[in-house]
Amino acid sequence: DTGVSQDPRHKITKRGQNVTFRCDPISEHNRLYWYRQTLGQGPEFLTYFQNEAQLEKSRLLSDRFSAERPKGSFSTLEIQRTEQGDSAMYLCASSQPGTSGRGGGTDTQYFGPGTRLTVL
Amino acid sequence: GQSLEQPSEVTAVEGAIVQINCTYQTSGFYGLSWYQQHDGGAPTFLSYNALDGLEETGRFSSFLSRSDSYGYLLLQELQMKDSASYFCAVRVSNDYKLSFGAGTTVTVRA
Repeated sequence: DTGVSQDPRHKITKRGQNVTFRCDPISEHNRLYWYRQTLGQGPEFLTYFQNEAQLEKSRLLSDRFSAERPKGSFSTLEIQRTEQGDSAMYLCASSQPGTSGRGGGTDTQYFGPGTRLTVL
Repeated sequence: GQSLEQPSEVTAVEGAIVQINCTYQTSGFYGLSWYQQHDGGAPTFLSYNALDGLEETGRFSSFLSRSDSYGYLLLQELQMKDSASYFCAVRVSNDYKLSFGAGTTVTVRA
């Protein structure tokens, strides 16, 4: 188990350019999540997949954002026509249904190291 | 939607005990998780509570009171390496995403 990996770790781009990030989840995990985190704030949910199906998208996810998980394994998050407001850390997490802690019934989300995007 | 409140900063000395409170407002509450995040690092899962009571994991414990919509994370025998941000996060029924608080920055001093 090598954990969740993300690539690249850092991305600097000019406003208006397109960027794509990749996330490789823990291999047996069938749920994959994308979050965005800005300085001094907690992660904010963007979208999540169960296997290859995208089951929920946040209202934060404008039309410029698109995510895919074509074979139910790795996922990509693309941002088109980047804006300075897109500068943030983009975090990926994965989980597997199971039990954790008192009461059980949760699927613990394990986060990757994130991709820090800077839009100039 | 969900809202969570936690203190923004806590400072303590090595060996001390710190309690980070989290109050939440949500419909369909399912469980409360706690994550630790060091500067520049990934959030790391610490604990989860779905039922009332205390969950102990080594030096860290987490508590939940569903009736009070309140939980806390207790950090005991503080070490310098515990300096980090700590986030509470709620999950609601029939939904797998987490809604995070703004985080509490814990600074441990020698």
